[in-house]
Amino acid sequence: DTAVSQTPKYLVTQMGNDKSIKCEQNLGHDTMYWYKQDSKKFLKIMFSYNNKELIINETVPNRFSPKSPDKAHLNLHINSLELGDSAVYFCASSQMAGGTDTQYFGPGTRLTVL
Amino acid sequence: AQSVAQPEDQVNVAEGNPLTVKCTYSVSGNPYLFWYVQYPNRGLQFLLKYITGDNLVKGSYGFEAEFNKSQTSFHLKKPSALVSDSALYFCAVRDIGDDKIIFGKGTRLHILP
Repeated sequence: DTAVSQTPKYLVTQMGNDKSIKCEQNLGHDTMYWYKQDSKKFLKIMFSYNNKELIINETVPNRFSPKSPDKAHLNLHINSLELGDSAVYFCASSQMAGGTDTQYFGPGTRLTVL
Repeated sequence: AQSVAQPEDQVNVAEGNPLTVKCTYSVSGNPYLFWYVQYPNRGLQFLLKYITGDNLVKGSYGFEAEFNKSQTSFHLKKPSALVSDSALYFCAVRDIGDDKIIFGKGTRLHILP
């Protein structure tokens, strides 16, 4: 069983479109994250939810909107996609926020904006 | 604000030789330190972490790291490298009381057969 899963694995779309990436974890964790990894492999946190509440919201354009329908899911919706949004997006989860817990990462979604 | 530095973009080591991947950090309080590994087209996998206690931390796949408070370093080590260790390694730091982890830029490790 995959602990943290993301769909789709690859996403190719045109500039200006709206797209969503889904993430699910079956670890029973309270906290979930979205990270963006750019072409130079630099990894930066975007959002974090703890028990469905937003606790980290980095300087990310308003076009990015996370949604957590329950503790096991954290989806990322992106409006009006731009070329610079092309990257690999990773979802992660941990038992709790602000502690010492290990984060478990999903396999990533490679987004290509044409 | 916390920060983490990985000074080497790439490290090349012959198979069977010891390896070291360097990491230094800056935090306002006591740090939580992590190492993750990323294989091609995969997500990050946890290797080890330092929270408190013994400065030498042992992790997965024979890796270990030493916390050095005076040098603010947390270098990753392995006594004998394997070709399968070739991957991208990330050091990360979390400041006490902060919810987020800051990742270094990554070091690509090449183990030469």
